[in-house]
Amino acid sequence: SQQGEEDPQALSIQEGENATMNCSYKTSINNLQWYRQNSGRGLVHLILIRSNEREKHSGRLRVTLDTSKKSSSLLITASRAADTASYFCATEAAGNKLTFGGGTRVLVKP
Amino acid sequence: DGGITQSPKYLFRKEGQNVTLSCEQNLNHDAMYWYRQDPGQGLRLIYYSQIVNDFQKGDIAEGYSVSREKKESFPLTVTSAQKNPTAFYLCASIPRDRYNYGYTFGSGTRLTVV
Repeated sequence: SQQGEEDPQALSIQEGENATMNCSYKTSINNLQWYRQNSGRGLVHLILIRSNEREKHSGRLRVTLDTSKKSSSLLITASRAADTASYFCATEAAGNKLTFGGGTRVLVKP
Repeated sequence: DGGITQSPKYLFRKEGQNVTLSCEQNLNHDAMYWYRQDPGQGLRLIYYSQIVNDFQKGDIAEGYSVSREKKESFPLTVTSAQKNPTAFYLCASIPRDRYNYGYTFGSGTRLTVV
């Protein structure tokens, strides 16, 4: 079962613009994580936010978490062509299993 | 450098055959996971193992089997009972102190039934 659902499914922006994608989930979580996947490759961990945190930054990435709405957002600022990839949110709940959403495909045009 | 090695990168299987996908990690991670990814979709959990000689079924375990005889290794067998095995398979691991870390993924094995 898919715990997280990303929105939008696809996003096309110009280099230098910001990209925002959202994730909604259904049950209580311990943490929420964001991953990037380049075409045909494995996933790379970007950032982890715990259930008692509301916002986290890492370089050009900003993640927010609203546990009352069961939602999270990932903002990539000043996007680059190299940011073109699929981005997945994943939630970890009791049982130590990571459950993924369907992903957002981001295209950054030079 | 530490990491997860998945092999082979590409695998072709005839209908009715069992095939085994390899996953090896030198990160000294305790837990290991197998996920399946279909085109344009997210990852679904097949099996996972928190410690050696123990593993649990994930959401789509039917038609698959695993073993965890060594901490470093978590091979996945796709059996003939798996009706639609063509997919991208990803192995992941995480240390015991999981609350501060994300998962480390291998580069995947693409399995095609011919």
